Amino acid sequence: DAGVTQSPTHLIKTRGQQVTLRCSPKSGHDTVSWYQQALGQGPQFIFQYYEEEERQRGNFPDRFSGHQFPNYSSELNVNALLLGDSALYLCASSPPGGIGGELFFGEGSRLTVL
Amino acid sequence: LAKTTQPISMDSYEGQEVNITCSHNNIATNDYITWYQQFPSQGPRFIIQGYKTKVTNEVASLFIPADRKSSTLSLPRVSLSDTAVYYCLVGDPFYNQGGKLIFGQGTELSVKP
Repeated sequence: DAGVTQSPTHLIKTRGQQVTLRCSPKSGHDTVSWYQQALGQGPQFIFQYYEEEERQRGNFPDRFSGHQFPNYSSELNVNALLLGDSALYLCASSPPGGIGGELFFGEGSRLTVL
Repeated sequence: LAKTTQPISMDSYEGQEVNITCSHNNIATNDYITWYQQFPSQGPRFIIQGYKTKVTNEVASLFIPADRKSSTLSLPRVSLSDTAVYYCLVGDPFYNQGGKLIFGQGTELSVKP
């Protein structure tokens, strides 16, 4: 049973560019959340998707947007990249009726903005 | 959301029991306490969750006093592979399936041979 998978694992972009990160949730999971983790910091909540809609959002600008597809996979898009967007982007999924607070994380996509 | 305070780092030796304490003075009635473990360049992994008293699973124990203003994660007989960052989180896990977790700085545990 595959866990949460994310792609790409690493990527390098330049300031002003746009990036799309992809996530496939664990089998049977229907909710996907995205987190940003800067070096040496704890993960910061970006937003959560359920039933193809954004259900919760953290304190991130509109440059960060997302999408969830009918198969529950999700994308995170970041426009007009800034140097400060360099971070590990984590996707987490949870099942319907699961233990609240227990999220299953992928290994992340490491984004470097030059 | 309740803020948590935990030591920035801890050192231990293989075979010892490690206790990491987290303070959460403003914990709300609906809040649970959850601990995650994270290895370098990996996503966090759920360890344990509790509301009050003591919870134990195959990996760790979680001790929560009656006032719930603090909690202690206990790792029995640690090994080198337990070297990781440990996060204490406090929140209502049943709100929107708990997708919005608030992570602090975490405790960097270093286990030495």
